[in-house]
Amino acid sequence: DSGVTQTPKHLITATGQRVTLRCSPRSGDLSVYWYQQSLDQGLQFLIQYYNGEERAKGNILERFSAQQFPDLHSELNLSSLELGDSALYFCASSVEFADTQYFGPGTRLTVL
Amino acid sequence: QQQVKQSPQSLIVQKGGISIINCAYENTAFDYFPWYQQFPGKGPALLIAIRPDVSEKKEGRFTISFNKSAKQFSLHIMDSQPGDSATYFCAARGPNAGNMLTFGGGTRLMVKP
Repeated sequence: DSGVTQTPKHLITATGQRVTLRCSPRSGDLSVYWYQQSLDQGLQFLIQYYNGEERAKGNILERFSAQQFPDLHSELNLSSLELGDSALYFCASSVEFADTQYFGPGTRLTVL
Repeated sequence: QQQVKQSPQSLIVQKGGISIINCAYENTAFDYFPWYQQFPGKGPALLIAIRPDVSEKKEGRFTISFNKSAKQFSLHIMDSQPGDSATYFCAARGPNAGNMLTFGGGTRLMVKP
């Protein structure tokens, strides 16, 4: 158990809908990262937050957004969902500037 | 370009054998190279990592070999066990754009008893 929690574990929704994925980092970790894992694209970095502020952006679509709250949990919002958004979404956390990122168990999103 | 290429995509090894997974990168600014192990239904977990100023790092049965001039690094699993059957990802971290990791495509390892 990495200490990173993600909810929900599974999410099934329809095209055009909006969903929110939640992540709680390990105790003491200030950085949160979101990654998308799909069969054809592998593991891709989406966005990073550090202590409430956006730190880095990767291949994140404009339909997706994220935020980190004062209690350091983070939410990833996915809107106008398309079939291709079906994937595993992982959250990871780390101590400031630390090497190791600890991954949560992921949320499996299925868009029908 | 931020890219990490990993091979092979899948690997079958007999119990007790050596599993070898290779990765190549392009960006010489990468400064940290971790390997992650992922079991079905779980998130990736850090296995072992190396920095480019070291040519080899060993932890138990797992060894990373790093060739800075060739921009390549590899994972060796000695005495492979059925419990090692998982998907392995190499990754690289750049000094820019936060602490983001660029992952290789993954290698699905099966160790036959």
